[in-house]
Amino acid sequence: DADVTQTPRNRITKTGKRIMLECSQTKGHDRMYWYRQDPGLGLRLIYYSFDVKDINKGEISDGYSVSRQAQAKFSLSLESAIPNQTALYFCATSDFSGQYFGPGTRLTVT
Amino acid sequence: GQNIDQPTEMTATEGAIVQINCTYQTSGFNGLFWYQQHAGEAPTFLSYNVLDGLEEKGRFSSFLSRSKGYSYLLLKELQMKDSASYLCAVRDRPSGNTGKLIFGQGTTLQVKP
Repeated sequence: DADVTQTPRNRITKTGKRIMLECSQTKGHDRMYWYRQDPGLGLRLIYYSFDVKDINKGEISDGYSVSRQAQAKFSLSLESAIPNQTALYFCATSDFSGQYFGPGTRLTVT
Repeated sequence: GQNIDQPTEMTATEGAIVQINCTYQTSGFNGLFWYQQHAGEAPTFLSYNVLDGLEEKGRFSSFLSRSKGYSYLLLKELQMKDSASYLCAVRDRPSGNTGKLIFGQGTTLQVKP
């Protein structure tokens, strides 16, 4: 079984809709992250959490919110989706030796 | 500010050797990572350097010079499956070990027959 899982893997939604992307991990790591990836822009950090009670904004948090429901679960919400949020979204966990990525969610906002 | 630079694209021939460079300027340093990412897939870990010098792992090696803010990833005996993007990332440590990585934009490597 994969250590970091994301649901859904693909999603098409309309402008203005609320959508939640979910991430679960079995690695037992306290630290979790949400990134988005756009062609030519690399990976950009949206939010990160160092434990259940800790939530921090990354470089591009506007238009997004997160919830850390448990050590193993970290969800990302788009309250009112807009087309420029169309991207590939990755969840990751980390320990000292590096970060471990989920398989990604391809989100399209029409 | 934080800045990580790597070439956008590179092309190499199957069986050859290729070196992908990365330079960085960050407010702190607590390790440099290289990841491989095939199109549409998640990045996967390749290597980690925290001290100066060369780390070798099979066909892949990574070098770090902290005084120069410089790293490279060396890929030997290139195979077609090595066609992918290679991401350089620095763990910034302004205070304490945050575990947060700063990524470069990635180098897309195309291996040709």
